Amino acid sequence: AQSVTQLDSQVPVFEEAPVELRCNYSSSVSVYLFWYVQYPNQGLQLLLKYLSGSTLVKGINGFEAEFNKSQTSFHLRKPSVHISDTAEYFCAVRIIQGAQKLVFGQGTRLTINP
Amino acid sequence: DTAVSQTPKYLVTQMGNDKSIKCEQNLGHDTMYWYKQDSKKFLKIMFSYNNKELIINETVPNRFSPKSPDKAHLNLHINSLELGDSAVYFCASSRTANTEAFFGQGTRLTVV
Repeated sequence: AQSVTQLDSQVPVFEEAPVELRCNYSSSVSVYLFWYVQYPNQGLQLLLKYLSGSTLVKGINGFEAEFNKSQTSFHLRKPSVHISDTAEYFCAVRIIQGAQKLVFGQGTRLTINP
Repeated sequence: DTAVSQTPKYLVTQMGNDKSIKCEQNLGHDTMYWYKQDSKKFLKIMFSYNNKELIINETVPNRFSPKSPDKAHLNLHINSLELGDSAVYFCASSRTANTEAFFGQGTRLTVV
């Protein structure tokens, strides 16, 4: 079975600083990878996804992530954060064939301080 | 236009009651899901339907019964509610079982 570990439960960052949210996964088969963002009292919104091709994936709101197969990681980065980026961020995997479900990490709470 | 809509957004009810949460998607997707988010924000799949057929049931108590009258709807009925059922329930849909999921706004269920 696949699993996802988000290494930091909380990440406080000052506005305009860079940020990296870490995600590692475990799976014996090939996977698709996703990052979702959840703003307070809202549903989840897709930030970006890796299906195949270039390992550097660009998403919405200036975020990007890099798929590293050897390290089984899919870390999320943004070079300069804004107050509005304060939210919960979830990494998720889906195996390419078989059970059709997203498996989520525990989430990382990103707090941007002025 | 809301792509995946759930009703109600908030639901407060007493232990032992039966309640339903409705979900509709207007994206023309084939696959729909129910996820549960607990108090620690952990998200776990409960059910997945593809073209109205159940394809995933993740060891959810049989007090929870999903119903898909058509491809655009997946409702969740819960019998004999317990305190531990308190959570946020998210409906989601995807074009196929292999593409990314779009989530509704969630239903915050509080059992008192």
